[in-house]
Amino acid sequence: EAGVTQFPSHSVIEKGQTVTLRCDPISGHDNLYWYRRVMGKEIKFLLHFVKESKQDESGMPNNRFLAERTGGTYSTLKVQPAELEDSGVYFCASSQDPSNSYNEQFFGPGTRLTVL
Amino acid sequence: RKEVEQDPGPFNVPEGATVAFNCTYSNSASQSFFWYRQDCRKEPKLLMSVYSSGNEDGRFTAQLNRASQYISLLIRDSKLSDSATYLCVVNMNSGYSTLTFGKGTMLLVSP
Repeated sequence: EAGVTQFPSHSVIEKGQTVTLRCDPISGHDNLYWYRRVMGKEIKFLLHFVKESKQDESGMPNNRFLAERTGGTYSTLKVQPAELEDSGVYFCASSQDPSNSYNEQFFGPGTRLTVL
Repeated sequence: RKEVEQDPGPFNVPEGATVAFNCTYSNSASQSFFWYRQDCRKEPKLLMSVYSSGNEDGRFTAQLNRASQYISLLIRDSKLSDSATYLCVVNMNSGYSTLTFGKGTMLLVSP
């Protein structure tokens, strides 16, 4: 069974440009999460989708970040315009049943974003 | 105070050694607890969940002390392949599982 996949694996852009990250969750997982790790800091939660609906977007840093999950399958995270502090590794995770608090989240390999 | 706090290490141990990692969390209402393992430039992977009764999986033992808001991970008979960063992870929400991560503790096992 395929795991969580993310595209691209790396992205280098200039400040002010737009970047779109994509995540394909494990098939059948209704729950999709975005996390981010900036250099020197811990991994931090950004938002959580249940199917196509945003369940919790309390971790989104500001309105330059827009996440979508049309049709409840793959998700995109767009950063527009990108700033230097947006550099980091963006992880996507998916899970089956988050009502069980011990339900495992499976992480994708991440997208390493560098903003110059 | 950080929500999940860990000693960053690195912990340098020889093969065969026993090593213990500790973690504290700030929210007493936290629901569930985990240790994830992260290899260099890779994604985090679940190592084990941590239950109130404590649990063991081969060479790994995890314990939870809710009163002290403290989680531990013990690795016995360390292998070279255990070298990685160990992330203490807490679900602080009731209802849905959004994870709060510590910065991680780096373990280096040498021959």
